[in-house]
Amino acid sequence: DTAVSQTPKYLVTQMGNDKSIKCEQNLGHDTMYWYKQDSKKFLKIMFSYNNKELIINETVPNRFSPKSPDKAHLNLHINSLELGDSAVYFCASSYTNRGTDTQYFGPGTRLTVL
Amino acid sequence: SQQGEEDPQALSIQEGENATMNCSYKTSINNLQWYRQNSGRGLVHLILIRSNEREKHSGRLRVTLDTSKKSSSLLITASRAADTASYFCATGQGAQKLVFGQGTRLTINP
Repeated sequence: DTAVSQTPKYLVTQMGNDKSIKCEQNLGHDTMYWYKQDSKKFLKIMFSYNNKELIINETVPNRFSPKSPDKAHLNLHINSLELGDSAVYFCASSYTNRGTDTQYFGPGTRLTVL
Repeated sequence: SQQGEEDPQALSIQEGENATMNCSYKTSINNLQWYRQNSGRGLVHLILIRSNEREKHSGRLRVTLDTSKKSSSLLITASRAADTASYFCATGQGAQKLVFGQGTRLTINP
């Protein structure tokens, strides 16, 4: 049973396209996150949702739009993809939105923009 | 935004030796966590140390925290080939987020 799952695992697309990444957690957690990991392995938070409510939006271009239909799902839609969007995107979840909580990560989605 | 900085960026040791990784940060924190990332996988939580704690152990892992120096260290004793991975520190800031460093790539040679 996968705790935090993401689809797809790999995504290769052309510049200018629109794409979505889906994330689901079966841990019963209230909080979900999207992170971006660049080629230098630096991991940066993009968004956080708590019970379907956006609580963190870290200066991400508005081409990125997260959506949480319920607290077990957090999807990421990216419009007009750019070369610089190439990275690995990780979804994570935690029991609450307290900074002390352990975060559980999905396996990542490797996005390559050509 | 403030981030943890791991040192060294890369570490290569022989199996059986101890591995020490350090993390420095710049602002006050309420906790510090260490995570491991195997190649091509997501991060896995290893251990959490609160700001009022100085040392914590979990199996072969030992974490220290010095809030006066704003630094933490992760010691892995009796290393194994399976410990090869990247190790990240993450600082809990305010109420709601963790800020990750760039990680230390640890290679255990058989």
